[in-house]
Amino acid sequence: GAVVSQHPSRVICKSGTSVKIECRSLDFQATTMFWYRQFPKKSLMLMATSNEGSKATYEQGVEKDKFLINHASLTLSTLTVTSAHPEDSSFYICSATPPTSGQLKQYFGPGTRLTVT
Amino acid sequence: GQNIDQPTEMTATEGAIVQINCTYQTSGFNGLFWYQQHAGEAPTFLSYNVLDGLEEKGRFSSFLSRSKGYSYLLLKELQMKDSASYLCAVKDSNYQLIWGAGTKLIIKP
Repeated sequence: GAVVSQHPSRVICKSGTSVKIECRSLDFQATTMFWYRQFPKKSLMLMATSNEGSKATYEQGVEKDKFLINHASLTLSTLTVTSAHPEDSSFYICSATPPTSGQLKQYFGPGTRLTVT
Repeated sequence: GQNIDQPTEMTATEGAIVQINCTYQTSGFNGLFWYQQHAGEAPTFLSYNVLDGLEEKGRFSSFLSRSKGYSYLLLKELQMKDSASYLCAVKDSNYQLIWGAGTKLIIKP
């Protein structure tokens, strides 16, 4: 099946610094990738839809200047958490849908656990 | 507003059968998904229903009734490794996934 990777899997950073998370589709080209965050014991919350070659579409309430998304190629999207604060600590997950799946399945990366101290 | 409801937590015994229910109210409907998520990991796809009826896949089955806005995930011959959260998600008229909060399933020996 389709594989999506994320890097890093865990990151600890100090308050005020920026952190970049990479999401890669390893065996298919993804024109669209999705970024989610998940708090403990809570559901996935869609943050933004990342479109290759264009600006990301952010969900209501998500600060686009704080969560910078770049979809540089058909296999790579990055999420940069700028000026991180402890409340940004969360589990960040990306996903992508292979073109051949007919938009049926989303394949998720393994997630990145961010801890801001 | 759009809403998906599923029980917060369920407990079942190894070897038994458990049914996890999901009800939804969304603006439009383009399919319902069930995902399994182990603690600290990303969700993995289990099933997809777009027409009414039962879809069976090994030990797992998923049922959909569009007129009732209702689905269930049925897990048979429960194994300890089935302990996880089970997420129900619906694609609305804009093909956006609306997620339930998940049901934590605890399997006891």
